[in-house]
Amino acid sequence: GEDVEQSLFLSVREGDSSVINCTYTDSSSTYLYWYKQEPGAGLQLLTYIFSNMDMKQDQRLTVLLNKKDKHLSLRIADTQTGDSAIYFCAESFTGGGNKLTFGTGTQLKVEL
Amino acid sequence: DVKVTQSSRYLVKRTGEKVFLECVQDMDHENMFWYRQDPGLGLRLIYFSYDVKMKEKGDIPEGYSVSREKKERFSLILESASTNQTSMYLCANGDRALGLGSYTFGSGTRLTVV
Repeated sequence: GEDVEQSLFLSVREGDSSVINCTYTDSSSTYLYWYKQEPGAGLQLLTYIFSNMDMKQDQRLTVLLNKKDKHLSLRIADTQTGDSAIYFCAESFTGGGNKLTFGTGTQLKVEL
Repeated sequence: DVKVTQSSRYLVKRTGEKVFLECVQDMDHENMFWYRQDPGLGLRLIYFSYDVKMKEKGDIPEGYSVSREKKERFSLILESASTNQTSMYLCANGDRALGLGSYTFGSGTRLTVV
């Protein structure tokens, strides 16, 4: 079955860049996603990338996909205290309908 | 904006009780999902539904059932609550027109079984 892994914690200083990493095992992934969960809230979609793309940029967010190594990363430039949250990567795959498989989540802490 | 509303933010139930978690969406979206979230395990899919009266098992359906009598409402049922079902439960919906994986999540229900 599918398996999506992330490191559990990341701590950065305000103003630095954050890089959150994710590895997945299903080679038939069609889309890969990044979701953000703020304290006490549900998840919200940040961005996504189609599996035939290598990179996607959206303002302070850069998504990199290495399909050969099944590695996905999210870079947040100029990290702010409001970026403190749990970040989940997720994948959907051919034949999986509209279901998502989520990673374990990375808790990002931004320090002053 | 699509809204997904979960009826309770916090619930405390006793072992053996039957528990209903309700989820309502205010748009005409076909797909609805129930996940549970546990530290270090991420989100795990319990059940999902692509249409009224339709349901499919997810990855961890044991001890749960669901009901979808109307398009806007998707209920998760714990037939006989147990302490290992203490968790955060998240409902989500998705519109096929928005593309795969564009889910809208509710705020979650934190269930404690004592």
